[in-house]
Amino acid sequence: DGGITQSPKYLFRKEGQNVTLSCEQNLNHDAMYWYRQDPGQGLRLIYYSQIVNDFQKGDIAEGYSVSREKKESFPLTVTSAQKNPTAFYLCASSMTGTTDTQYFGPGTRLTVL
Amino acid sequence: KQEVTQIPAALSVPEGENLVLNCSFTDSAIYNLQWFRQDPGKGLTSLLLIQSSQREQTSGRLNASLDKSSGRSTLYIAASQPGDSATYLCAVTNDYKLSFGAGTTVTVRA
Repeated sequence: DGGITQSPKYLFRKEGQNVTLSCEQNLNHDAMYWYRQDPGQGLRLIYYSQIVNDFQKGDIAEGYSVSREKKESFPLTVTSAQKNPTAFYLCASSMTGTTDTQYFGPGTRLTVL
Repeated sequence: KQEVTQIPAALSVPEGENLVLNCSFTDSAIYNLQWFRQDPGKGLTSLLLIQSSQREQTSGRLNASLDKSSGRSTLYIAASQPGDSATYLCAVTNDYKLSFGAGTTVTVRA
């Protein structure tokens, strides 16, 4: 069953802690993306990767970090430097670059306590 | 910087009525435009993708048009059903990235 999985579905973090959100895809897609969604706003791009071992900053990369050691996996770390991390985080993938249809995972809701 | 706007932010219609959702964008140099559906607390599902060279795209009860020169796209949903209740987002591709509108939340009343 092909698709994108994100875990956990819900995540609670204390201020000052780093947390890592998981994103895995078995679609054999080269490109992967992380977005943040806040109420009443469109999705905003955090980071994207078009190939293994390479990634680029999006519009709101400050306070976040990523790695792309395997084609299937693109984990996102929300660091303590991110001032307002409470949001819904969505991972996506596409066959190649951003001109292809993007397929989204179910999302992770992060709440900072 | 690309700005994508969707008006109205919310829409409520009786079952059976046709839906018309609007999307406008400021930079017409796009590769394509996509319409997505999002159910509450869930990820996005791609509905239609229109390449910049196309004028429209159809899938079942859904039809999307694109007027690149005026920076507009319209999503039509024929004969709406309660199951169509969701938030619909449009997104345009420029250079390396997708820019999203904030979405239109649709409620179809039975």
